[in-house]
Amino acid sequence: NAGVTQTPKFQVLKTGQSMTLQCAQDMNHNSMYWYRQDPGMGLRLIYYSASEGTTDKGEVPNGYNVSRLNKREFSLRLESAAPSQTSVYFCASSQRPRLVNTEAFFGQGTRLTVV
Amino acid sequence: DQQVKQNSPSLSVQEGRISILNCDYTNSMFDYFLWYKKYPAEGPTFLISISSIKDKNEDGRFTVFLNKSAKHLSLHIVPSQPGDSAVYFCAAVRSGTSYGKLTFGQGTILTVHP
Repeated sequence: NAGVTQTPKFQVLKTGQSMTLQCAQDMNHNSMYWYRQDPGMGLRLIYYSASEGTTDKGEVPNGYNVSRLNKREFSLRLESAAPSQTSVYFCASSQRPRLVNTEAFFGQGTRLTVV
Repeated sequence: DQQVKQNSPSLSVQEGRISILNCDYTNSMFDYFLWYKKYPAEGPTFLISISSIKDKNEDGRFTVFLNKSAKHLSLHIVPSQPGDSAVYFCAAVRSGTSYGKLTFGQGTILTVHP
């Protein structure tokens, strides 16, 4: 039971390069999310997808795009990486977006450094 | 505007003692609260939650208390164990929104000494 799988686990980019972070979940969850974690800031929501075919901006969407490829997969793209995007990125999923007592499950994270 | 705050960056306790982690929020629309635990190089894992209709929820060694009037919640770990050493995040969400769309605090690093 893999849960939420993120690839890659580590990445170093040069400023201006692009890349896509991949995320897949095998729990048949409806909703998926991308967060970034920075020191002293907690986790901040970048984008989310409440259900297949929909995406919405979170708290810090600038510089990112997302694609909900199907129910399982939700990718995050950096078109032109900047040093301010150096962070640890977490993908998460949850099952029932509008019911109580449902938590989000997180992947192991992608540590991205932009030089 | 930090809507969820954990004002203690770190906490150190002795094994067997109680650990108390605190969290404050400002948005009165939040009505469901969660605690996550995070080990280095791993993603956060869900620990315990509480709905705003309750003031206490217990799960084994972990108890979460909610004081709505003070907009304050706390996580009690009794007794603390060295394996509890991790970063603890509190998170809050508003009913009717997706339950993964959480607002997190900054985290508190808990160290439990043997």
